[in-house]
Amino acid sequence: EDQVTQSPEALRLQEGESSSLNCSYTVSGLRGLFWYRQDPGKGPEFLFTLYSAGEEKEKERLKATLTKKESFLHITAPKPEDSATYLCAVQGDNFNKFYFGSGTKLNVKP
Amino acid sequence: NAGVTQTPKFQVLKTGQSMTLQCAQDMNHNSMYWYRQDPGMGLRLIYYSASEGTTDKGEVPNGYNVSRLNKREFSLRLESAAPSQTSVYFCASSEAFRHYGYTFGSGTRLTVV
Repeated sequence: EDQVTQSPEALRLQEGESSSLNCSYTVSGLRGLFWYRQDPGKGPEFLFTLYSAGEEKEKERLKATLTKKESFLHITAPKPEDSATYLCAVQGDNFNKFYFGSGTKLNVKP
Repeated sequence: NAGVTQTPKFQVLKTGQSMTLQCAQDMNHNSMYWYRQDPGMGLRLIYYSASEGTTDKGEVPNGYNVSRLNKREFSLRLESAAPSQTSVYFCASSEAFRHYGYTFGSGTRLTVV
């Protein structure tokens, strides 16, 4: 059964304190792994797509990496505006079905 | 650019009432989706439409129906609302066959009492 597990559920960091969020997955025929950011009361906002093990993508203070079993979202020197819930999703054999994790709620204190 | 527009933003229904959630996108995307988001459970796919004129069930379709009215619009209908359908509903769209990421609407917060 395709599934996605994210950890930790919640993470509190001080401004400038780097850390990583984890997304572990099991899926039949991985087509892609996706990271989204969701602010309270809003829809998720697309961040990255990773397609194969070893691939990395960067955007400002965020860097996403992918292995055959998990993905990490590294946050370097975070700022309070990085506070949000970060969602991971995988796309398997069925192109139109994406499986989302329940997210990691990140809180960055100034 | 509006992106994906959902209406209404908030709704309270009594058990057994019906309603339709509206979604429209202006990006000329072929594929559209309806998700529900519940605490601790992540986003779950209700129905999707890979292209105009087609719809398919997702992970949790029971109690819902959909209509792909045209390329722009994809509606979700609750025929007889139940408290278990209390959730936040998101509509999304994407380009078919190549995934640059969903574009999500801002959501409809539905409470069934």
